[in-house]
Amino acid sequence: AQSVTQLDSQVPVFEEAPVELRCNYSSSVSVYLFWYVQYPNQGLQLLLKYLSGSTLVESINGFEAEFNKSQTSFHLRKPSVHISDTAEYFCAVSEMDTDKLIFGTGTRLQVFP
Amino acid sequence: ETGVTQSPTHLIKTRGQQVTLRCSSQSGHNTVSWYQQALGQGPQFIFQYYREEENGRGNFPPRFSGLQFPNYSSELNVNALELDDSALYLCASSLALGRAGEQYFGPGTRLTVT
Repeated sequence: AQSVTQLDSQVPVFEEAPVELRCNYSSSVSVYLFWYVQYPNQGLQLLLKYLSGSTLVESINGFEAEFNKSQTSFHLRKPSVHISDTAEYFCAVSEMDTDKLIFGTGTRLQVFP
Repeated sequence: ETGVTQSPTHLIKTRGQQVTLRCSSQSGHNTVSWYQQALGQGPQFIFQYYREEENGRGNFPPRFSGLQFPNYSSELNVNALELDDSALYLCASSLALGRAGEQYFGPGTRLTVT
């Protein structure tokens, strides 16, 4: 069985500062890894995903995440955050070629001016 | 192309009642999954439907049931509602099985059980 741990429930940061949201996972099989973002009163939006290939994956809005198999981590980073990045961020895993997503408990990113 | 839609947006039910939530998949998507997101928690997988058949279930009791229709829209039914069923219910559709990274989520239905 898989599990996901997001170590930080809340991350406050000032605008234009760098941020890292941590995610560790546990699985006995190979997995796909995902980051989703949830804005207030909205559903989940896929931010980025790792399926195979390069361990560094990027989103169109400046976020990136690196798959580290030895540390079973998939931390999300952004070098300079914006007020509009304020949201809940969920890390998730799935077994390869399945649809069932296992989510972490989420990290609330709060960006202050 | 329309996205995933869910109805209703919000509803309030009383303990013991039954509820039906609806999901309209993105055009062309034949697979739908349902998730329960309790307050302050990540979503938890309830079950998945593929071409009108259940194709996997999470750790939820049988009073959680579903349907998928020929047009691939879907329903989630919950019988004998309990207070702990209060949550945001999300559906997600995808083009085919095995496409976890290509699921599109709806905005959710907020269910409150009193």
